[in-house]
Amino acid sequence: EAAVTQSPRNKVAVTGGKVTLSCNQTNNHNNMYWYRQDTGHGLRLIHYSYGAGSTEKGDIPDGYKASRPSQENFSLILELATPSQTSVYFCASGWSAYAEQFFGPGTRLTVL
Amino acid sequence: GDSVTQKEGLVTLTEGLPVMLNCTYQTIYSNAFLFWYVHYLNESPRLLLKSSTDNKRTEHQGFHATLHKSSSSFHLQKSSAQLSDSALYYCAGGSNAKLTFGKGTKLSVKS
Repeated sequence: EAAVTQSPRNKVAVTGGKVTLSCNQTNNHNNMYWYRQDTGHGLRLIHYSYGAGSTEKGDIPDGYKASRPSQENFSLILELATPSQTSVYFCASGWSAYAEQFFGPGTRLTVL
Repeated sequence: GDSVTQKEGLVTLTEGLPVMLNCTYQTIYSNAFLFWYVHYLNESPRLLLKSSTDNKRTEHQGFHATLHKSSSSFHLQKSSAQLSDSALYYCAGGSNAKLTFGKGTKLSVKS
């Protein structure tokens, strides 16, 4: 059974603070993705990765960094959090863009 | 670049009526893959069905969709809505390294 986990599940941060969202997958998938979900915008791709050591910019990368230290782990980093980054963040893994993506449970981030 | 359009933000139906959620796409690549993902409340989004074959009907869990490359469409249909179909539905297109999602259509089925 595919398994993608995220931590933390809920986070409250202050404006200007640093936030790190973590994702772990046990599927041995090459690709991993970070999305944010906002009403009226759907799922938007922030960063993605083809494998350990690689990160690529998605459609809305500004204000975010990503790190893929291993096949299993993919982190999303907000160096200077802003209220506009309040959202629900989903991590996903998959073999390729043509294959099914498996999503984690999501992280609800509130930036005050 | 690639784009996916879901014009309806909210569709409200009475149980038993047919469902049709619209999806159109634009891609610069000819080998597009189209997907429908479903997101139930308090769960993770998951794949409902996918297709890359022109004019071939794809079915899963009572839903079906046919990719029409001539009209760049991949509409999701079901013959009879159930209360349990209430969810957020995303159409997505993948043609290169990543998926592009539409804004989503919330389906609300009432008794």
